[in-house]
Amino acid sequence: DTAVSQTPKYLVTQMGNDKSIKCEQNLGHDTMYWYKQDSKKFLKIMFSYNNKELIINETVPNRFSPKSPDKAHLNLHINSLELGDSAVYFCASSQDRTETQYFGPGTRLLVL
Amino acid sequence: SQKIEQNSEALNIQEGKTATLTCNYTNYSPAYLQWYRQDPGRGPVFLLLIRENEKEKRKERLKVTFDTTLKQSLFHITASQPADSATYLCALDQGYSSASKIIFGSGTRLSIRP
Repeated sequence: DTAVSQTPKYLVTQMGNDKSIKCEQNLGHDTMYWYKQDSKKFLKIMFSYNNKELIINETVPNRFSPKSPDKAHLNLHINSLELGDSAVYFCASSQDRTETQYFGPGTRLLVL
Repeated sequence: SQKIEQNSEALNIQEGKTATLTCNYTNYSPAYLQWYRQDPGRGPVFLLLIRENEKEKRKERLKVTFDTTLKQSLFHITASQPADSATYLCALDQGYSSASKIIFGSGTRLSIRP
């Protein structure tokens, strides 16, 4: 009965590859997010979707493209992976864009 | 510039004592502030939310205060236990803008020694 799930949990890939991370929430929430947590544990928002509509798009390279096929899913596609993309990526959801957020377990991306 | 800072990167205290973590912010007018717990290899887990018109919030052994004049929140864990060892993150919303989002601090790693 995982509330927010992400796949894969680990992702090791070569520079230049394209990869996707999937996220699903079964909480019935309207808003979903992608965060990046770097090696210093700083959690920074990347994107936010509300009812499949993009509402927050932080200054991230356009190699990162979120896609929300429906309210329960928010996927993250990354093109031309770079070494600096190595981090833990967390998906989260909330009922309202400014309320308590429920986080997934994270996807540990390592670019070699 | 807008900043949110947590007092120390790491805090070590003896079991049974009260742990106090600090979150300071500048150039924000948050409507509320939240505290999360993060264990190694896991996502953050929500603990408490306190609104700007609230001075204090409690939940079991946890207490949060919010001083909008000082632009500071304190997070207390009383009768601390080794199981409380984790990283604690404060988070606040940017304000009342329609594009408002939640900003996280860098966290304080709390260690409770037996």
